[in-house]
Amino acid sequence: GENVEQHPSTLSVQEGDSAVIKCTYSDSASNYFPWYKQELGKRPQLIIDIRSNVGEKKDQRIAVTLNKTAKHFSLHITETQPEDSAVYFCAATGGGADGLTFGKGTHLIIQP
Amino acid sequence: EPEVTQTPSHQVTQMGQEVILRCVPISNHLYFYWYRQILGQKVEFLVSFYNNEISEKSEIFDDQFSVERPDGSNFTLKIRSTKLEDSAMYFCASSEARQGETQYFGPGTRLLVL
Repeated sequence: GENVEQHPSTLSVQEGDSAVIKCTYSDSASNYFPWYKQELGKRPQLIIDIRSNVGEKKDQRIAVTLNKTAKHFSLHITETQPEDSAVYFCAATGGGADGLTFGKGTHLIIQP
Repeated sequence: EPEVTQTPSHQVTQMGQEVILRCVPISNHLYFYWYRQILGQKVEFLVSFYNNEISEKSEIFDDQFSVERPDGSNFTLKIRSTKLEDSAMYFCASSEARQGETQYFGPGTRLLVL
């Protein structure tokens, strides 16, 4: 089955700086890669996703890049704000699978 | 904006008891999922459901678990004989279509088994 590794587990950045979270996946058949933001005690919320036919996608301050050859994808958050503080999970699915395989999460801390 | 809803928000039960967790998926969605998240850990896939049958299940989803769509709106997860290690947050999710479609998560049910 699919295995998703995520790094770092904790990331602390100054407000206004950029944050980058990286994930790798193992199943070359995976073709859908969403990113979820989870605030303490709340549901995971989709913030951006990318499909394997695209190399990069951007939505305002958030962007995701995908390298299918290397089997890794990254989340980029620019101009970080205090409300960006949360746990971010990457996930992958595809190749006949329904369920999302999640990474272990990155606790992003925005320092004022 | 439509959201997935779940009840109850919290459930405390004794080991060995049966629990039923309930979910109302987004109304036009066809695929339904259950995930669990043990405190401080990642979200783990349990099962997917489509057209009134299980589409995929993980190795976590053993014989003590079952899912059902008893009517046109509810989607339930039953745990027959709860164990201490079943304590977790259980999330329901739904999507319009299958692979490659956004899965929208409910607020979760926090299950504590004593």
